Amino acid sequence: GQQVMQIPQYQHVQEGEDFTTYCNSSTTLSNIQWYKQRPGGHPVFLIQLVKSGEVKKQKRLTFQFGEAKKNSSLHITATQTTDVGTYFCAGETGTASKLTFGTGTRLQVTL
Amino acid sequence: NAGVTQTPKFRVLKTGQSMTLLCAQDMNHEYMYWYRQDPGMGLRLIHYSVGEGTTAKGEVPDGYNVSRLKKQNFLLGLESAAPSQTSVYFCASLPDRAQYDQPQHFGDGTRLSIL
Repeated sequence: GQQVMQIPQYQHVQEGEDFTTYCNSSTTLSNIQWYKQRPGGHPVFLIQLVKSGEVKKQKRLTFQFGEAKKNSSLHITATQTTDVGTYFCAGETGTASKLTFGTGTRLQVTL
Repeated sequence: NAGVTQTPKFRVLKTGQSMTLLCAQDMNHEYMYWYRQDPGMGLRLIHYSVGEGTTAKGEVPDGYNVSRLKKQNFLLGLESAAPSQTSVYFCASLPDRAQYDQPQHFGDGTRLSIL
């Protein structure tokens, strides 16, 4: 079956440093979505990428979708303590808009 | 507008007991999904539904059953709970595919412990 892997599993940065998480799918995706989850919370949608090579920005967050539509990345510039949480990518394939979630990257930011 | 509501929020069961988790959405969404999330892992799809009266298996369906008798409700049943089913369960809904670029809307989750 389809697999979506994310690296790293965990990253600890000091406030102001940059952070990147990478997502790789075993199959070509229709689109890829990114979610953020705080401890004890539910996944919160951040963005969806659809086109090959697409790049989208949301303030300090930059999202990229690979040319082959099998990989993606999320880059945060100048992290803040409010960025703490686990970031998941989720790839959509097939019918019914089913998502396969990545394993997640837990980000810890300290002052 | 409540969005996606899951009940109960917490539950402790003994091995072999049965229970039903309820997911209700008030957005008239066609698609609904049940996921489980184990510690330190991503969400895995258990079952899903593309409309009233339809259900289909996801990635990890064994030990679970679902029903979608009404469009707004999606029920997840555990007939004989096992400790391996201890997890956080999330429900999500989505408008039909015609409304492109819409994300799945998640409920707050149900924390289920099986002793």
